Amino acid sequence: EAQVTQNPRYLITVTGKKLTVTCSQNMNHEYMSWYRQDPGLGLRQIYYSMNVEVTDKGDVPEGYKVSRKEKRNFPLILESPSPNQTSLYFCASSHREGSNQPQHFGDGTRLSIL
Amino acid sequence: KQEVTQIPAALSVPEGENLVLNCSFTDSAIYNLQWFRQDPGKGLTSLLLIQSSQREQTSGRLNASLDKSSGRSTLYIAASQPGDSATYLCAVSSGYALNFGKGTSLLVTP
Repeated sequence: EAQVTQNPRYLITVTGKKLTVTCSQNMNHEYMSWYRQDPGLGLRQIYYSMNVEVTDKGDVPEGYKVSRKEKRNFPLILESPSPNQTSLYFCASSHREGSNQPQHFGDGTRLSIL
Repeated sequence: KQEVTQIPAALSVPEGENLVLNCSFTDSAIYNLQWFRQDPGKGLTSLLLIQSSQREQTSGRLNASLDKSSGRSTLYIAASQPGDSATYLCAVSSGYALNFGKGTSLLVTP
């Protein structure tokens, strides 16, 4: 089954404790992206990757890192999480941004930073 | 910067009604426009994608239109059902990102 898998689905942690949210897709998609969703602000892009070893900042990259060492994986790293990073995070993938292929989204990761 | 607006923010209709959700965007230089559905606690499910060269797309009871020159799209849902209750998100692709509206929360009552 074609899917985007995020882990963990839920995480409560404390300020400053490094964490990684994993994202994996099984559709051989070139393009992957991370979004955060906040009440009243909607979905905003954090980082994206056009292909292996190619990443770039989205609208709200501060406090986040990403890597794309393999085509299927695109982890989101919070080196020193802070309470303002409490949010619902989504990973998405598609064959190529700007193409006419729909983006596929994971089920989301709800992060709470205390 | 592309800005996407969805009206109304919330909508409640009785089962069986036909309804229209609206989406407007500020920059007409787009690749495509997607409509998504989001259920509480779930991810986003792509409903329809309209290429910039197209005027509309249909899937079952859903029909989405695109007027690029005026920066508008509509999602028409025919014969609504309680199972259609969800948040509907419009997203515009201008290259390397999807710009999302804040969504319309739809409640279809039996």
